[in-house]
Amino acid sequence: QVQLVESGGGVVQPGRSLRLSCAASGFTFSNYGMHWVRQAPGKGPEWVAVISYEGSDKYYADSVKGRFDISRDNSKNTLYLQMNSLRVDDTAVYYCAKDQASLLNGMEVWGQGTTVTVS
Amino acid sequence: QSVLTQPPSASGTPGQRVTISCSGSSSNIGSNYVYWYQQFPGTAPKLLIYRTNQRPSGVPDRFSGSKSGTSASLAISGLRSEDEADYYCAAWDVSLTGWVFGGGTKLSVL
Repeated sequence: QVQLVESGGGVVQPGRSLRLSCAASGFTFSNYGMHWVRQAPGKGPEWVAVISYEGSDKYYADSVKGRFDISRDNSKNTLYLQMNSLRVDDTAVYYCAKDQASLLNGMEVWGQGTTVTVS
Repeated sequence: QSVLTQPPSASGTPGQRVTISCSGSSSNIGSNYVYWYQQFPGTAPKLLIYRTNQRPSGVPDRFSGSKSGTSASLAISGLRSEDEADYYCAAWDVSLTGWVFGGGTKLSVL
């Protein structure tokens, strides 16, 4: 079955960087778009970024544009999120999610999340 | 302030039918599919409805989705205690070129 396992979260000071990873299994990773979605404590989900199946198309939320970079390595079935210039309000659980198809088909399956604390 | 607007809470008794609304605009709900997610405390959201009114396999047919203009609704019939959760709507926004979520509705089963 589809499995997504995030890693790389932790406590980081404001202004520093962090890279999250998401290991995918149970489906043909290179055929699907992938998302990062975050959820701050006590808040609803906030979409962060999406990348197309082959990595050529990327979209970002305004709140992270210019600071975060989404990428993927289809040979390793792994999704990444490079987070730079981190701010206190970036504190959240970060989920990776598989799109139903490419970019515009919704987040179908979510990982268990990894916690990022900026403090 | 979320782009999509949901009531913060909803409630019903077992067996009742409950609807949760999600209000948007022409750039999101008005021109794209709506997705609904169910989330229990401490767990990741789970896809409940996709493409406005389609259920993934395994989701009971007690859950249904619909859309009219720039608003969408999630209906839960035959309410059960295990339906007590947070529910979120989402849609692609063509103006923002990004996905937007509602603020969430906490459903209580009384």
